[in-house]
Amino acid sequence: SQTIHQWPATLVQPVGSPLSLECTVEGTSNPNLYWYRQAAGRGLQLLFYSVGIGQISSEVPQNLSASRPQDRQFILSSKKLLLSDSGFYLCAWSVGQGYYSPLHFGNGTRLTVT
Amino acid sequence: QKEVEQNSGPLSVPEGAIASLNCTYSDRGSQSFFWYRQYSGKSPELIMSIYSNGDKEDGRFTAQLNKASQYVSLLIRDSQPSDSATYLCAAYSGGYQKVTFGIGTKLQVIP
Repeated sequence: SQTIHQWPATLVQPVGSPLSLECTVEGTSNPNLYWYRQAAGRGLQLLFYSVGIGQISSEVPQNLSASRPQDRQFILSSKKLLLSDSGFYLCAWSVGQGYYSPLHFGNGTRLTVT
Repeated sequence: QKEVEQNSGPLSVPEGAIASLNCTYSDRGSQSFFWYRQYSGKSPELIMSIYSNGDKEDGRFTAQLNKASQYVSLLIRDSQPSDSATYLCAAYSGGYQKVTFGIGTKLQVIP
């Protein structure tokens, strides 16, 4: 069965510091991978998605970036964090391009920028 | 802009009652619909998928879809305190699996 690992679970970082969040998927090949952010009391915001190695699509302009160095690895980064980057970051995967495949989420990383 | 609308709640129901959660979507091209349950501080967990008009039942959960009205609902029968969570409605409209989420409805089941 497929599993998704996301770490760290919690992170407290000062403003201006760098960020690296990592996500790996096991048990499937060529998954679609996603980074979402959920701010307190708000809905899920799609940040990036990737349909293959090295292919990254950005949904919103911001100081975050994403990379996919391996088929089942997805990394979210920032060179300098802002206070507004605080939130709950969720990695998710799906398979295929058809409309029958739902998203499956990792356990998330709660980021607090101080 | 594609939107999925939900009442944020909270929706309070007594234990054993039927909880009815509703969702509307703006994009008539939406093809697939999903319900996720999110406990406080946790990540969303998929509980139901529905793709065609009508009802789909899975245990105590029933998802209902009416594409003409652009309306999706989730019924939870025999509600339990453990069902207390936020329920997210999501719609997929095509492309590379881009899914639009509602803000979620907070359900409280009162013992």
